Amino acid sequence: GAVVSQHPSWVICKSGTSVKIECRSLDFQATTMFWYRQFPKQSLMLMATSNEGSKATYEQGVEKDKFLINHASLTLSTLTVTSAHPEDSSFYICSATGGSQRGYTFGSGTRLTVV
Amino acid sequence: AQSVTQLDSHVSVSEGTPVLLRCNYSSSYSPSLFWYVQHPNKGLQLLLKYTSAATLVKGINGFEAEFKKSETSFHLTKPSAHMSDAAEYFCVVSDGGYNKLIFGAGTRLAVHP
Repeated sequence: GAVVSQHPSWVICKSGTSVKIECRSLDFQATTMFWYRQFPKQSLMLMATSNEGSKATYEQGVEKDKFLINHASLTLSTLTVTSAHPEDSSFYICSATGGSQRGYTFGSGTRLTVV
Repeated sequence: AQSVTQLDSHVSVSEGTPVLLRCNYSSSYSPSLFWYVQHPNKGLQLLLKYTSAATLVKGINGFEAEFKKSETSFHLTKPSAHMSDAAEYFCVVSDGGYNKLIFGAGTRLAVHP
């Protein structure tokens, strides 16, 4: 079946540094990628939607200059958390759809801890 | 606007007894509805989905859900709980165009021996 590989699975970084999270679709062309964040014991909140080759569309309240999304190819999307702060600590999950993949495939998530 | 309400934040059952996780939705369109399961610190796994075909949808691991338009519900059931079913369950709606998903708040299922 369709697989989305998300890396890293966990990362610890210092305040003020930037962290990049990658999501790759392994066996289909991901024309659309979604990025979510999930706080402990809470639901998933959509951060942004990106279509390959286009600028991402951010949800209300999500700072696009802080959460940089790049979707330059049909198999790779990246989320960069810039100048991370402890309040950015969260679980980030990507999801992809497109091509032969008639549905949404989720990555395994990235646990970000900012110290 | 679309929304999803999961009526129980926690459900606790004994192993071998039935599971019922309740979900109500609101949608202006003919919706697509999904149930996903999430184990701790893991991504999401699709249990089943409704896309305007049969109203009773069978999923993986013995789960099924029934779409009831008159009640705007999409409750998830399983006849007999296993210990491995303990996880967080999310009811999700989309407008059917593979656009963004709207997640419910989640229901944490605990299964006791």
